[in-house]
Amino acid sequence: NAGVTQTPKFQVLKTGQSMTLQCAQDMNHEYMSWYRQDPGMGLRLIHYSVGAGITDQGEVPNGYNVSRSTTEDFPLRLLSAAPSQTSVYFCASSRTSLQETQYFGPGTRLLVL
Amino acid sequence: DAKTTQPTSMDCAEGRAANLPCNHSTISGNEYVYWYRQIHSQGPQYIIHGLKNNETNEMASLIITEDRKSSTLILPHATLRDTAVYYCIVRVGSTSGSRLTFGEGTQLTVNP
Repeated sequence: NAGVTQTPKFQVLKTGQSMTLQCAQDMNHEYMSWYRQDPGMGLRLIHYSVGAGITDQGEVPNGYNVSRSTTEDFPLRLLSAAPSQTSVYFCASSRTSLQETQYFGPGTRLLVL
Repeated sequence: DAKTTQPTSMDCAEGRAANLPCNHSTISGNEYVYWYRQIHSQGPQYIIHGLKNNETNEMASLIITEDRKSSTLILPHATLRDTAVYYCIVRVGSTSGSRLTFGEGTQLTVNP
């Protein structure tokens, strides 16, 4: 199993540009989520999904959209990038949403100029 | 989810046990204690979790006090590769979504 994969590893955007961060898992996990981590801080939840077709907002959802059309994929879309969205983005998955350990991807480093 | 308090940083000599404390005085009866770690620039990695009994796996041991208001993660023989930020998280799972609330964690530095 590849586990949780994320692409790209690094991206530079200009303010106002849009892009999609890709996340995929091959463990047939129902639960997937997106976090962002700013320098020297812990992770903050952006959006999560408890299954295909179901998504919900986390702690810091503004400026981001998600969809979950398949169990495997959970893309994160930045609608109009802002410098405040410069961060490292981590995708995670777990078998279910109940007391399950989460598996994290390697992260995408995003710089918005 | 209950709030946790951890020391900002700790040092440990290679080969010795690393004991990382966590206070969670407002924990409720159905909340689990989870430990994750994050090695520099990588995604967080699950270590161990427990409810009220002590737990041990191939990576670490988790000691939870009888009143459940604090816990200690023990790495029995720390290596240089254990240098990382360690997060103590108290969480209750639900069908509406399982979210991990990360604090700032403890930076553990294992010294040769």
